[in-house]
Amino acid sequence: EVQLVESGGGLVQPGGSLRLSCAASGFTFSSYEMNWVRQAPGKGLEWVSYISSSGSTIYYADSVKGRFTISRDNAKNSLYLQMNSLRAEDTAVYYCARTYYDFWSGYQGGLDYWGQGTLFTFSS
Amino acid sequence: QSVLTQPPSVSGAPGQRVTISCTGSSSNIGAGYDVHWYQQLPGTAPKLLIYGNSNRPSGVPDRFSGSKSGTSASLAITGLQAEDEADYYCQSYDSSLSGSGVFGTGTKVTVL
Repeated sequence: EVQLVESGGGLVQPGGSLRLSCAASGFTFSSYEMNWVRQAPGKGLEWVSYISSSGSTIYYADSVKGRFTISRDNAKNSLYLQMNSLRAEDTAVYYCARTYYDFWSGYQGGLDYWGQGTLFTFSS
Repeated sequence: QSVLTQPPSVSGAPGQRVTISCTGSSSNIGAGYDVHWYQQLPGTAPKLLIYGNSNRPSGVPDRFSGSKSGTSASLAITGLQAEDEADYYCQSYDSSLSGSGVFGTGTKVTVL
């Protein structure tokens, strides 16, 4: 069974840092692209960052570029999001999500498995 | 502010058909990028409903269907059921943005 379990959320002060982790199991982690998506309280979904299966290609939303760093450790089946210079508007539930991959056709697109989310709250 | 616009809400009676639009532009849907759809039940993580414009992952009922034309895409739900009451989001890629993906504004479906 595919499982994604996030951890690392909590209360952070202005300008602080936080590192989120996502532990993957039930699939060959090193074969899949991964993403972080966030959702502010009562708001819609916002894509945050993407990393290719090897880690060689990375993208960020403009709202977090220069402050957040995505990484992965394929040997540990883990995805990470290092968040620095945190702001009030970063308060959200953070989800890790796997990019769908059809091995027969080679198609990749959409996010087919999501973790339960971890909440980061900005503390004033 | 998302570049993919959805109606804030749609509603229908049980058994009816409802559609949700996702309107983009020439830098996203109109550029040929695929559209994916998600369902988010209250308090839960989103679930992939449609990938690649019109394909359903295994386990998703065929009551859900997706289509794309020009700069827009649509999700249709036929035979509306009480358990379909949820938030729905489209997702695509936009070449004018530096990142990899963009979500729509979201639509709340209410079953009357």
